[in-house]
Amino acid sequence: AQSVTQLDSQVPVFEEAPVELRCNYSSSVSVYLFWYVQYPNQGLQLLLKYLSGSTLVKGINGFEAEFNKSQTSFHLRKPSVHISDTAEYFCAVSDLGETSGSRLTFGEGTQLTVNP
Amino acid sequence: DAGVIQSPRHEVTEMGQEVTLRCKPISGHDYLFWYRQTMMRGLELLIYFNNNVPIDDSGMPEDRFSAKMPNASFSTLKIQPSEPRDSAVYFCASRPARANYGYTFGSGTRLTVV
Repeated sequence: AQSVTQLDSQVPVFEEAPVELRCNYSSSVSVYLFWYVQYPNQGLQLLLKYLSGSTLVKGINGFEAEFNKSQTSFHLRKPSVHISDTAEYFCAVSDLGETSGSRLTFGEGTQLTVNP
Repeated sequence: DAGVIQSPRHEVTEMGQEVTLRCKPISGHDYLFWYRQTMMRGLELLIYFNNNVPIDDSGMPEDRFSAKMPNASFSTLKIQPSEPRDSAVYFCASRPARANYGYTFGSGTRLTVV
């Protein structure tokens, strides 16, 4: 079984400041890792994903995340945030890889609030 | 592609009434998932289907909840009778057979039981 821990439930930042949203996971097997974003009154939207290869992955809206196997972490970063980045962000992990039984386990979410 | 389509977007009903939520997954996706989102519990997986067959319904809170997937393009989640504690946003998501694609979520149904 796998689990995901998002270390911060709320992250307030000022516009144009850098931000890091932290995510740690646990799994006994190799994993796929995802970040989703949920804007108010909308569904979850895929931001980026790590499958294999380069540990630094880039996503939409200028976000990137780095997979660290030794730390079992997948932290999300953006060098300069905008007001429009205000949303809830979910980290998710999928084990079993490409087999038919795999499904996502989500973290509890981090509310990012960007203030002017 | 229109994405995952859920209806209705909002539903307000009285306690004791039957509620049916609907979902149309993306064509060609083999998996369909129903989630519930509340402030208290966050995202909870209720049930998921693979090729229209229910695989795991251990997240369904109680017998008042039921879900069906009669064909590859349609699924329903039914609550009968509804209670105020069922008030939440219900999401449907689908994905292809390959897990590395991730899920595509619908916009959700906001259910309020008064």
